[in-house]
Amino acid sequence: NAGVTQTPKFRVLKTGQSMTLLCAQDMNHEYMYWYRQDPGMGLRLIHYSVGEGTTAKGEVPDGYNVSRLKKQNFLLGLESAAPSQTSVYFCASSPLGTLSYFGNGTRLTVT
Amino acid sequence: AQSVSQHNHHVILSEAASLELGCNYSYGGTVNLFWYVQYPGQHLQLLLKYFSGDPLVKGIKGFEAEFIKSKFSFNLRKPSVQWSDTAEYFCAVKPPGGGNKLTFGTGTQLKVEL
Repeated sequence: NAGVTQTPKFRVLKTGQSMTLLCAQDMNHEYMYWYRQDPGMGLRLIHYSVGEGTTAKGEVPDGYNVSRLKKQNFLLGLESAAPSQTSVYFCASSPLGTLSYFGNGTRLTVT
Repeated sequence: AQSVSQHNHHVILSEAASLELGCNYSYGGTVNLFWYVQYPGQHLQLLLKYFSGDPLVKGIKGFEAEFIKSKFSFNLRKPSVQWSDTAEYFCAVKPPGGGNKLTFGTGTQLKVEL
């Protein structure tokens, strides 16, 4: 049972490049989330999904897009990366309760 | 704006000292409360949670937290810290009517010195 798996673990992008972060969970959870973690700011919710085929904006959605085509996967896309998107990104999932299980994070640097 | 506040940003303690980290929230109504810990280079792990019932909650690794509704607080405590408790600690709140979304505090970096 792998839990929540994020790929890649590290990535360096140049300004304007695009990329997709993948989050996969094998716990059959309905809810999935993408957070970014920045020093002194805690975790802020980017986008989330309450089920397959659904997505919604979180606290800081600008510059990101998401898709949940399959229940187990939640993709986070950056169409045109900016230095302000340098951060550590965490994916999480939860069942219909409220406990969240986190992935190991993706460290993204945009130069 | 409604929020979660952790007023201690950095805490340095010696081993065996007692710990109390503050967490206050500004939501009215029924909330669910959480403390997560993030060890260096690792992901967030749940320490403890409060949904209802006994306001004194015991978690893993000797941590506990007390929900005081009148003070909108959920402070984390440990009687005697260890060097291995060095980590960042996050308070999180599921607001009323907030679906399953958590709002996190800004975190408290704890360093325990030998």
